[in-house]
Amino acid sequence: GQQVMQIPQYQHVQEGEDFTTYCNSSTTLSNIQWYKQRPGGHPVFLIQLVKSGEVKKQKRLTFQFGEAKKNSSLHITATQTTDVGTYFCAVGSGTSYGKLTFGQGTILTVHP
Amino acid sequence: KAGVTQTPRYLIKTRGQQVTLSCSPISGHRSVSWYQQTPGQGLQFLFEYFSETQRNKGNFPGRFSGRQFSNSRSEMNVSTLELGDSALYLCASSFTGAEQYFGPGTRLTVT
Repeated sequence: GQQVMQIPQYQHVQEGEDFTTYCNSSTTLSNIQWYKQRPGGHPVFLIQLVKSGEVKKQKRLTFQFGEAKKNSSLHITATQTTDVGTYFCAVGSGTSYGKLTFGQGTILTVHP
Repeated sequence: KAGVTQTPRYLIKTRGQQVTLSCSPISGHRSVSWYQQTPGQGLQFLFEYFSETQRNKGNFPGRFSGRQFSNSRSEMNVSTLELGDSALYLCASSFTGAEQYFGPGTRLTVT
């Protein structure tokens, strides 16, 4: 099945610093989704990318899908304490979106 | 709209017992997926149901099973529980099968 590697596993930043997490696959992806899970919470959908080279922004969050559709990144500008949590990328099966393969996640800690 | 609900929220079972977890999707969503989350293995896909049919299945032993009812509510069952089944079990519903809306999960502890 599809596998996706996510790095880094942990990231500690000072409030106001930027943060980036990366997902990489050895195969071409049909789509990639990003989720955020707060401590003690459940994953919450952030965005889906489907087009080669796609860039989408949500306030301080910027999501990119690589030209070859084998990698993706999530960048947060000027982190805030509310950004704390685990960020996951997830890839859908080519035949069914309902089956998602998740990356290992990046745990973000923001120090005030 | 009400979100995805899961019951029970917490469960403690003994090794060898069986357990049934319930999930009510968002109204109008026909796709329901189940995931297991553990610190060691992360989020792993169990199975997906769409219109009462299992559409996808993950790499879990046959002790893990599920079903979906005509009102899209879903249950998953784990028989002959093992210590390694201790995990957070998450249900997610979707209208298209794309973006998933997760419930709060059921925290299962097997002793």
